[in-house]
Amino acid sequence: EAQVTQNPRYLITVTGKKLTVTCSQNMNHEYMSWYRQDPGLGLRQIYYSMNVEVTDKGDVPEGYKVSRKEKRNFPLILESPSPNQTSLYFCASSKSGTSGRARDNEQFFGPGTRLTVL
Amino acid sequence: LAKTTQPISMDSYEGQEVNITCSHNNIATNDYITWYQQFPSQGPRFIIQGYKTKVTNEVASLFIPADRKSSTLSLPRVSLSDTAVYYCLVGDALIYNQGGKLIFGQGTELSVKP
Repeated sequence: EAQVTQNPRYLITVTGKKLTVTCSQNMNHEYMSWYRQDPGLGLRQIYYSMNVEVTDKGDVPEGYKVSRKEKRNFPLILESPSPNQTSLYFCASSKSGTSGRARDNEQFFGPGTRLTVL
Repeated sequence: LAKTTQPISMDSYEGQEVNITCSHNNIATNDYITWYQQFPSQGPRFIIQGYKTKVTNEVASLFIPADRKSSTLSLPRVSLSDTAVYYCLVGDALIYNQGGKLIFGQGTELSVKP
């Protein structure tokens, strides 16, 4: 089944304890992205990757890191989590960011990771 | 990236047609309009996409006037299961041309009542 998976789905942690949220897609997609969703603020892009070894900042990158060593994986790293990073996180992927075909930009989202930082 | 404006929330009743309008005054020539639907506790999913005039699929219709400064997502005869947040995105067919960024915004929270 074509899908985007995220782990863990739920996580409660404490301030300053490094954590990684994994994201993996099995559709051979080039483009991958991380979003956070907060009440009243909608979906905001954290980081994105146009392809392997190519990453760039979205609108709210502070406090996060990413890497794209393989095409299928795009982990989100919080080196020193703080309470203001408590949020619902979504990973997404799309076929291409460079094909020029609008439909190739369709974003496929993972199930979400609910993170609480105490 | 063209800025989009859509209502924060809308209420409807089962069986009614719902129209959600998105304003995008600064839409560029190469921009497409895409709508996503997000059910509670799930990630958004693609509903429909268009460039101009009208597009229809099994889920919804998308109406885009000639000036393309707005678009309207139409959901025919909604049911309780259509309760969701609906996002309007405007962006270049080539994401690379907008630096790779995508902006979902706040979306419109549709509540369908019995």
